[in-house]
Amino acid sequence: AQSVTQLDSQVPVFEEAPVELRCNYSSSVSVYLFWYVQYPNQGLQLLLKYLSGSTLVKGINGFEAEFNKSQTSFHLRKPSVHISDTAEYFCAVSVNTGNQFYFGTGTSLTVIP
Amino acid sequence: DTGVSQDPRHKITKRGQNVTFRCDPISEHNRLYWYRQTLGQGPEFLTYFQNEAQLEKSRLLSDRFSAERPKGSFSTLEIQRTEQGDSAMYLCASSQWTGGAEGYTFGSGTRLTVV
Repeated sequence: AQSVTQLDSQVPVFEEAPVELRCNYSSSVSVYLFWYVQYPNQGLQLLLKYLSGSTLVKGINGFEAEFNKSQTSFHLRKPSVHISDTAEYFCAVSVNTGNQFYFGTGTSLTVIP
Repeated sequence: DTGVSQDPRHKITKRGQNVTFRCDPISEHNRLYWYRQTLGQGPEFLTYFQNEAQLEKSRLLSDRFSAERPKGSFSTLEIQRTEQGDSAMYLCASSQWTGGAEGYTFGSGTRLTVV
């Protein structure tokens, strides 16, 4: 079975500071990894995904994530956050059939002016 | 294309009533998914369709829940005899599955409140 752990439920950070949102997963098979962002009262928007190849993945809005197989992690980073990055961020894994995603419980990022 | 559309955006119902939600996926997408998201949690998988066939159902989908996707286009999710525990955001997503894993496109969700 697959599971996703997002270690930080809330992350406050000052505007223009760097941020890292942590995600660890467990799976007995190879997985695909995703980060989604959810703004209040909206659905989820795909930020980036790791399917194969380079372990450093760049996404939208200046976010990037690094897949670390040995540590079973897929942490999300941004070098300089903006007020508009305030949102809920979800890490998710999928196995090769793409039938369903397993989501973490989310990290609430609050950017402080 | 306007993305994945869900209707209604909000629904308040009395316990014991039946409710039905609709999802219109991106037109060329062959897969359609339903997820449920409760407060403070990530989305949980309920079921998915490939074209008109319902291929998988989660054990979260009790017999009070039924989903359809006639003609492989829009989908409906019906909850019969609603309970307070059914209060959640119901998310629909679609994807064009070509054998690998692609990110979904999610709709904005239907927020159900059972009073």
